[in-house]
Amino acid sequence: KQEVTQIPAALSVPEGENLVLNCSFTDSAIYNLQWFRQDPGKGLTSLLLIQSSQREQTSGRLNASLDKSSGRSTLYIAASQPGDSATYLCAVGADSWGKLQFGAGTQVVVTP
Amino acid sequence: GAGVSQSPSNKVTEKGKDVELRCDPISGHTALYWYRQSLGQGLEFLIYFQGNSAPDKSGLPSDRFSAERTGGSVSTLTIQRTQQEDSAVYLCASSSRQVLYNSPLHFGNGTRLTVT
Repeated sequence: KQEVTQIPAALSVPEGENLVLNCSFTDSAIYNLQWFRQDPGKGLTSLLLIQSSQREQTSGRLNASLDKSSGRSTLYIAASQPGDSATYLCAVGADSWGKLQFGAGTQVVVTP
Repeated sequence: GAGVSQSPSNKVTEKGKDVELRCDPISGHTALYWYRQSLGQGLEFLIYFQGNSAPDKSGLPSDRFSAERTGGSVSTLTIQRTQQEDSAVYLCASSSRQVLYNSPLHFGNGTRLTVT
């Protein structure tokens, strides 16, 4: 059974620092890996999707890497801002129909 | 265009009552998913629909839970004889058909269900 783990569970950084969020998974037979952001009381917003054949994806200040063989993904957020404060979740695509297995998330606070 | 819409946003019900939660996916999205988010449990897959194919119900926690999708669009998740452990945020997501496993999921804001 696929297990998805996110470390750390919570993270606080001063504004301007780079953020590094880790995600690990136990079964390397994945279709994709997605990173989401969740604000309090809201749904999830898709940030990046890395296909199983890719090693990384970038969008603005966000960069996500994927190493299937070691079962790891890392989300980097450059030059963090208070608006980046949220919970970040990673999820692995478990089948060809898009069903996702989620990690528990990392709660991020960026202090001004 | 509009995103995924869920209603109601909040629902408080008494133990033993039935509840219906509604999801309006993004227009043109043929795949629809229901997830549940509980404190301490993270996000848990419940069910998904894809076009006219039989739904994958493998995540439904008990036979008190059921879902349908009418006309390939709106979906309703029904919980019968609610229990306190059903209290959670129920999230709906949709995805475009082209290449499902490489299409990001778009989530609604969820329905927060509280069973008293």
